[in-house]
Amino acid sequence: QVQLQQSGPGLVKPSETLSLTCTVSGDSFKSYYWSWIRQRPGKGLEWLGYIFHSASPSYNPSLKTRVTISVDTSKNQVSLNLTSVTAADTAVYYCASTEGGLFEYFHYWGQGTLVTVST
Amino acid sequence: QSALTQPASVSGSPGQSITISCTGTSGDVGDYDVVSWYQQHPGKAPKLMLYEVTKRPSGVSDRFTGSKSGNTASLTISGLRADDEADYYCSSYAGHTNYVFGSGTSVTVL
Repeated sequence: QVQLQQSGPGLVKPSETLSLTCTVSGDSFKSYYWSWIRQRPGKGLEWLGYIFHSASPSYNPSLKTRVTISVDTSKNQVSLNLTSVTAADTAVYYCASTEGGLFEYFHYWGQGTLVTVST
Repeated sequence: QSALTQPASVSGSPGQSITISCTGTSGDVGDYDVVSWYQQHPGKAPKLMLYEVTKRPSGVSDRFTGSKSGNTASLTISGLRADDEADYYCSSYAGHTNYVFGSGTSVTVL
């Protein structure tokens, strides 16, 4: 069973950078692509991007200029950085394993981290 | 990329069947047989229920079935139970390494 544990601050100031980490348990880290997905309050889900341990990340075109996803294979961790945040970035952020021929479904999910952007 | 269109709410009585639609375009649902469905209970992470339109992950009840016709995919829940009450989201590949989710459907068990 793949388990994902998220960590990071729940409060970020406007214009600053949101940073979250997802730690993957077990030996599966190098077997999957890993995505970040967010859910704004009362809204649907939005894919932010994904990464494989040995490949370049891919990002949602609408956020591409502000999102960076990286991996630390020594720690089985996937990280998300979102720069220049505004109140519109307030959301629950999830990491998830990404599978399928087009990496199109999200099987195992982290517990979610509510990030509020506010002074 | 616009969200896929789902009905805001669907309801049914215990034991009944309900169907949730997910309408996209020829650039996403219509072009790719990779629609997936997620169940989300309040305050919880989404749970994968179906992938590649009709496939169920291990542990998901066969009461959940999927189909697709043209630009519209559907999730049917048979033998509706109280614990099926949740939000449901569809998702599809949308080309050019992009993925789109549905607007979400709230399922109520009467």
